Amino acid sequence: SSELTQDPAVSVALGQTVRITCQGDSLRNYYASWYQQKPGQTPVLFIFGQNNRPSGIPARFSGSDSGNTASLTITGAQAEDEADYYCYCRDSSSDLPLFGGGTKLTVL
Amino acid sequence: QVQLQQGGAGLLKPSETLSLTCAVSGGSFSDYYWTWIRQPPGKGLEWIGEIHHSGSTNYNPSLKSRVTISVDTSKNQLSLKLSSVTAADTAVYFCARGLRFLERLLGLDYWYFDLWGRGTLVTVSA
Repeated sequence: SSELTQDPAVSVALGQTVRITCQGDSLRNYYASWYQQKPGQTPVLFIFGQNNRPSGIPARFSGSDSGNTASLTITGAQAEDEADYYCYCRDSSSDLPLFGGGTKLTVL
Repeated sequence: QVQLQQGGAGLLKPSETLSLTCAVSGGSFSDYYWTWIRQPPGKGLEWIGEIHHSGSTNYNPSLKSRVTISVDTSKNQLSLKLSSVTAADTAVYFCARGLRFLERLLGLDYWYFDLWGRGTLVTVSA
């Protein structure tokens, strides 16, 4: 189907590890990219391709892929990681862009 | 450093045409997919459409009949027009630079947006 599905909300204790997932058939053909968005701000690219991080993105963020699922893992979550996270790839049928619905991460 | 500077009217009445621009400074238009994305208040990201530097366009099927995206290479400027707006078109509108990385021999194919404008809040209200 032409959708990327994310859990609407995830929480993690400060300093713990959390995985945010994104599911969709198109992920069998394309790697996902991940974006962080804080309230009132522009989305920022955090992960792209086969676990690539743009300059300035902390190493505690990593990406992985398995079958129809892409994951964003934060190892040792910090308070400043509290934000919305969106996955993105192209639809393998139409080749048009697809965004996941977003996951709101709360750091407890 | 490449920057995307957005401009355009932020308050429209129903049935009017939304018109936004995105000026690219410090870089070229070539080899990118210049994209418009919107985000209704409190909701997720919605792709509106894209234009490749070659001039080819793709639009969200749900908006296709009302959307026009164009580029003015002489001004390094991307434009969005959305006709017959309603309250449902109220959103923050972002321009973004899209890229594709394809290396078939390695089985790598991925797309991403590496640069975003700051967003323009467009409100449609009578």
